[in-house]
Amino acid sequence: EDKVVQSPLSLVVHEGDTVTLNCSYEVTNFRSLLWYKQEKKAPTFLFMLTSSGIEKKSGRLSSILDKKELFSILNITATQTGDSAVYLCAVGTGTASKLTFGTGTRLQVTL
Amino acid sequence: DARVTQTPRHKVTEMGQEVTMRCQPILGHNTVFWYRQTMMQGLELLAYFRNRAPLDDSGMPKDRFSAEMPDATLATLKIQPSEPRDSAVYFCASGAFGQGQYFGPGTRLLVL
Repeated sequence: EDKVVQSPLSLVVHEGDTVTLNCSYEVTNFRSLLWYKQEKKAPTFLFMLTSSGIEKKSGRLSSILDKKELFSILNITATQTGDSAVYLCAVGTGTASKLTFGTGTRLQVTL
Repeated sequence: DARVTQTPRHKVTEMGQEVTMRCQPILGHNTVFWYRQTMMQGLELLAYFRNRAPLDDSGMPKDRFSAEMPDATLATLKIQPSEPRDSAVYFCASGAFGQGQYFGPGTRLLVL
């Protein structure tokens, strides 16, 4: 059975801190790893990673994949209160990239 | 700004009633997914289609749930009869090869 594990489960930081969220996986027929941000609504797509060692960056967010060690990290620098959300990691498998989701990391950024 | 649309956004119904949820995927996306999200189970994949053909519906309770894609612009998820344990947020997502999956706003279902 495909498995995606995220850590930590939850995290409280002060505005301006840098955070690292972790995602490890055990799946068959890996295709891609995706990160989503979910506030009180639908998950919003952040990144899709398919190759090891290539960093994807968008503003203060960045992510990298290690296909040998089967994990990915999501970094957020200079956090803001608007970064407070649940961050979901999902791994796509098979020809249609069926996604298996982790349970998420709940991030709270305080003033 | 292309996005997935879902209707209705909210639905309250009584146990035993039929519920139909609709989804319009992003134009050009050939893969459509139905997910259910609850506090206890998180996001669960119910079914998905590629080029309108069902690929996997093993995540759905087959006796009461059905998913179809009558054309490229419409996917439906039907529950008949509905039960209180079906109360959840149902998301539709669409994608294409080499792209991420993009989620619709969801249908929040409450079965009394």
